[in-house]
Amino acid sequence: QSALTQPASVSGSPGQSITISCTGTNSDVGSYHLVSWYQQHPGKAPKLIIYEDTKRPSGVSSRFSASKSGNAASLTISGLQAEDEADYHCCSYSVINTLVFGGGTKLTVL
Amino acid sequence: DVQLVESGGGLVQPGGSLRLSCATSGFRFNTYWMHWVRQAPGKGLMWVSRINSDGSGTKYADSVTGRFTISRDNAKNILYLQMDSLRADDTGLYYCTREWEASAQDKWGQGTLVTVSS
Repeated sequence: QSALTQPASVSGSPGQSITISCTGTNSDVGSYHLVSWYQQHPGKAPKLIIYEDTKRPSGVSSRFSASKSGNAASLTISGLQAEDEADYHCCSYSVINTLVFGGGTKLTVL
Repeated sequence: DVQLVESGGGLVQPGGSLRLSCATSGFRFNTYWMHWVRQAPGKGLMWVSRINSDGSGTKYADSVTGRFTISRDNAKNILYLQMDSLRADDTGLYYCTREWEASAQDKWGQGTLVTVSS
């Protein structure tokens, strides 16, 4: 049950786009269409922003999008805003019926 | 409104036990799978355990297998996590979560803090 691999930090200026990667294995990310992404502001609980690899729950801004290819998933935030500054976590279902998270990525809006 | 409210955290010595509770409201608790997820101070999220809707099926992370037990009371709409043989690396904020579509966790409580220290 090794954690998925995410960059520790990314940054971007307001209005720009950034992408956060999430790398797993054939036993998790690459096995199902079950990657989800969560946004977590300091001192707050995580919030679901992407599910089933690429889908956005109702109410989540269309500036958030995601993709997946093989064992690698990614989250893209376009038109970066100050309120996007947060930690982002990816998560995948695994072949042994567990969930595995990434280490989290801190997004800084410059 | 859907609410998940955790309680039961605190300071415990290594080797000790705690039972966490998650009181839920605003949804049909007995139709959802539920999970516990923890976050060590300043670290990422770690999945701990899950239980199916009627309580007949459970799963655990390797690091807690044999020490933690997840359960639920569908009559009271409460999720539990019994934690025994606690270790320092069990320290963290424990979140109760609801599994929605495609194994995504759509609702999270605010967490309850567990500190394992002598």
